[in-house]
Amino acid sequence: GAGVSQSPRYKVTKRGQDVALRCDPISGHVSLYWYRQALGQGPEFLTYFNYEAQQDKSGLPNDRFSAERPEGSISTLTIQRTEQRDSAMYRCASSLVPGPNTGELFFGEGSRLTVL
Amino acid sequence: KNQVEQSPQSLIILEGKNCTLQCNYTVSPFSNLRWYKQDTGRGPVSLTIMTFSENTKSNGRYTATLDADTKQSSLHITASQLSDSASYICVVSAKLITAGSQGNLIFGKGTKLSVKP
Repeated sequence: GAGVSQSPRYKVTKRGQDVALRCDPISGHVSLYWYRQALGQGPEFLTYFNYEAQQDKSGLPNDRFSAERPEGSISTLTIQRTEQRDSAMYRCASSLVPGPNTGELFFGEGSRLTVL
Repeated sequence: KNQVEQSPQSLIILEGKNCTLQCNYTVSPFSNLRWYKQDTGRGPVSLTIMTFSENTKSNGRYTATLDADTKQSSLHITASQLSDSASYICVVSAKLITAGSQGNLIFGKGTKLSVKP
């Protein structure tokens, strides 16, 4: 696609529900990153993939968070048993070259998660 | 600890004026430094990427400088426009040493710039 696409753009859920956030990177981009961004703050790293392999998941806050990229393209970030503190903007970024820290990152518009 | 500090936290200037945003970092070993512009509600967009050997790089009215000895960078905006109103985020990349190192991109909290007519 023309850019990194994320869905849903907005998600409101009740505490305890599971949510799945989707990221469709730019076609042909090798690396894919997930970030979480609080209002007024810079993005906070969660995890990243090169192709389908999850290279680093050290930023995932706890075991309720997981991510996959089974075919090396679309990725899903899943949050189980959501809590109010999970409310944030979740951003995906992709890069043409394998990561980390090589090549320009292109960010999506983000998925705004609100947990009631 | 790898950190990126930006100043000022926020800045208001009049249209047409110049301004300079600062970024200090303690990331080691250093790989590259990036400046991003983030419009409200949008994803960050890359302005410049600078490696150790580059001490200045321009992108239109944006000029970034890097002093790798003092671990400082600045982003200078010339003849500001209303559309420059955004958050500007400094991101420093560390060379990969081991896996599990948070993707090696350390983000600053950003400087929120408001350009007034």
